[in-house]
Amino acid sequence: QLQLQESGPGLVKPSETLSLTCTVSGGSISSSSYYWGWIRQPPGKGLEWIGSIYYSGSTYYNPSLKSRVTISVDTSKNQFSLKLSSVTAADTAVYYCASDSTLFDYWGQGTLVTVSS
Amino acid sequence: AIQMTQSPSSLSASVGDRVTITCRASQGIRNDLGWYQQKPGKAPKLLIYAASSLQSGVPSRFSGSGSGTDFTLTISSLQPEDFATYYCLQDYNYPQTFGQGTKVEIK
Repeated sequence: QLQLQESGPGLVKPSETLSLTCTVSGGSISSSSYYWGWIRQPPGKGLEWIGSIYYSGSTYYNPSLKSRVTISVDTSKNQFSLKLSSVTAADTAVYYCASDSTLFDYWGQGTLVTVSS
Repeated sequence: AIQMTQSPSSLSASVGDRVTITCRASQGIRNDLGWYQQKPGKAPKLLIYAASSLQSGVPSRFSGSGSGTDFTLTISSLQPEDFATYYCLQDYNYPQTFGQGTKVEIK
């Protein structure tokens, strides 16, 4: 069974870049069966898909964030990563990584990232 | 982007009640829809995929139906552990979009 774990700073300053990594265990990130995605949830609000990546490097981004988002994959470490640039307070959220075979079926526990000076 | 509109946004129900949540897509999405349950402080859990297929390990009191633009999640007999927020998600095309959520509370 897949397990995913997010890691990264819990506090980011405005205008800086948010960087998170998702480590996958229990399976290979190079599996052709999965895409790998990032989803976020502002406190008390709903879920927003940020983007997804295939092990080959093909990426899909939410147009609302596309100019600021980069998702990458490191098959040697069985990890994929999220970078979100020029953050503001509106980017404060719990960030989840998830596997996507039949929809998002396995999720990390989520990590709260607060944007504040 | 396809908009997913859930209703109601919240509901109060008692243990044993039959509960129905609906999700409407702004355009046809075949059956490319799933339903999630989220409890406070936890990641969402996939209940239903492909509109009506029960994810492994999910109790059979959960069921999904619909195709095209209109979808339904039904809980046949609400249990205490079912009080949570439910979201639909379309994966017909990118960007994948969630409904705004339905909070199921105890009456």
